[in-house]
Amino acid sequence: NAGVMQNPRHLVRRRGQEARLRCSPMKGHSHVYWYRQLPEEGLKFMVYLQKENIIDESGMPKERFSAEFPKEGPSILRIQQVVRGDSAAYFCASARQDTEAFFGQGTRLTVV
Amino acid sequence: GENVEQHPSTLSVQEGDSAVIKCTYSDSASNYFPWYKQELGKRPQLIIDIRSNVGEKKDQRIAVTLNKTAKHFSLHITETQPEDSAVYFCAASKSNYQLIWGAGTKLIIKP
Repeated sequence: NAGVMQNPRHLVRRRGQEARLRCSPMKGHSHVYWYRQLPEEGLKFMVYLQKENIIDESGMPKERFSAEFPKEGPSILRIQQVVRGDSAAYFCASARQDTEAFFGQGTRLTVV
Repeated sequence: GENVEQHPSTLSVQEGDSAVIKCTYSDSASNYFPWYKQELGKRPQLIIDIRSNVGEKKDQRIAVTLNKTAKHFSLHITETQPEDSAVYFCAASKSNYQLIWGAGTKLIIKP
């Protein structure tokens, strides 16, 4: 079991471009969480998904951000028309029902 | 909804001393309480967790206590070592497994 895989590890985008962050959960895990972390700050919940369903997106900005977790393939966090304030580390975590969550290594997004 | 508060935000202790980090939660239905450690530039990793049917759990130098009546849980690290320096996060969840996180505690171990 390779663990939670996130790619890319580092992503540089110019203002106005789109950023796509991928998260492959651990085998057998159907719950995926996305978090955002600024330097020296805590984990900010963005969205919680189960296969093909968004369960809670209360932490995600209403505009420019979207997430999906299709039946096949990784979960995708998509940020359209990126701005400098989107620069952060984005972590995903996966879990089975009622077990610990395992984190990926994160994607560090830099908007220039 | 659930709210988790974590204190202190920064904790500095002498190497060899004990460190205690506290969290309170608001939803009495929460039943799972993990603690994660995040070293600089790395991913958060689970170090210990506790469920609501027990009051205390220990793993070598790390222990977690849970007081359901008061709705608070604490992380205890004894005989602290330099490698314990990190940011520690608590979290709480109910059976639908949405984790609600504390803001984190930066633990500094002074040599």
